[in-house]
Amino acid sequence: GQSLEQPSEVTAVEGAIVQINCTYQTSGFYGLSWYQQHDGGAPTFLSYNALDGLEETGRFSSFLSRSDSYGYLLLQELQMKDSASYFCAVLMDSSYKLIFGSGTRLLVRP
Amino acid sequence: DVKVTQSSRYLVKRTGEKVFLECVQDMDHENMFWYRQDPGLGLRLIYFSYDVKMKEKGDIPEGYSVSREKKERFSLILESASTNQTSMYLCASSPLSSDYGYTFGSGTRLTVV
Repeated sequence: GQSLEQPSEVTAVEGAIVQINCTYQTSGFYGLSWYQQHDGGAPTFLSYNALDGLEETGRFSSFLSRSDSYGYLLLQELQMKDSASYFCAVLMDSSYKLIFGSGTRLLVRP
Repeated sequence: DVKVTQSSRYLVKRTGEKVFLECVQDMDHENMFWYRQDPGLGLRLIYFSYDVKMKEKGDIPEGYSVSREKKERFSLILESASTNQTSMYLCASSPLSSDYGYTFGSGTRLTVV
């Protein structure tokens, strides 16, 4: 079967840096995506890594190590509005279907 | 602004009813997907479609079917609703390039009583 592991909850202080890890075991792998979902809202796309290394987009960065089947999402200069659930997702093959992890709930405190 | 629109935000249906969930996208995307989201389980893929009249089973297709007669519309059908199908249903679409990710609809919260 396929599995993606990520912490269920993370708490951090406003202005700090937080890292959300994701390890995966899947029968296929094209790349790793990250999505953000606020309570009551739709998931929104944050990033996609197909190659090893760090991708930076503003305050958010995403890292992938294919050899370790591991990735992380790094959020810098945390803001209260970053409180949300964050999902990692593996693109399995050329069919474009994603397999999602169970999500990490991030709580940003003042 | 690009959009994926799901026809209902909340639905309450009775056990045994046939239920239709509609999803329309205005981005001319080839791929469309139906997921259900349950607490602690993340998003689980029910069905997806990469072209008109084409469909593929996801991880949990039992009790569901889909229809894609037009490129912009992807319907999820619960043939005979059961209480264990009470869930949040999310529709998404994506272009052929994976770099741009999925665009999700706002979801339909279905309660089967």
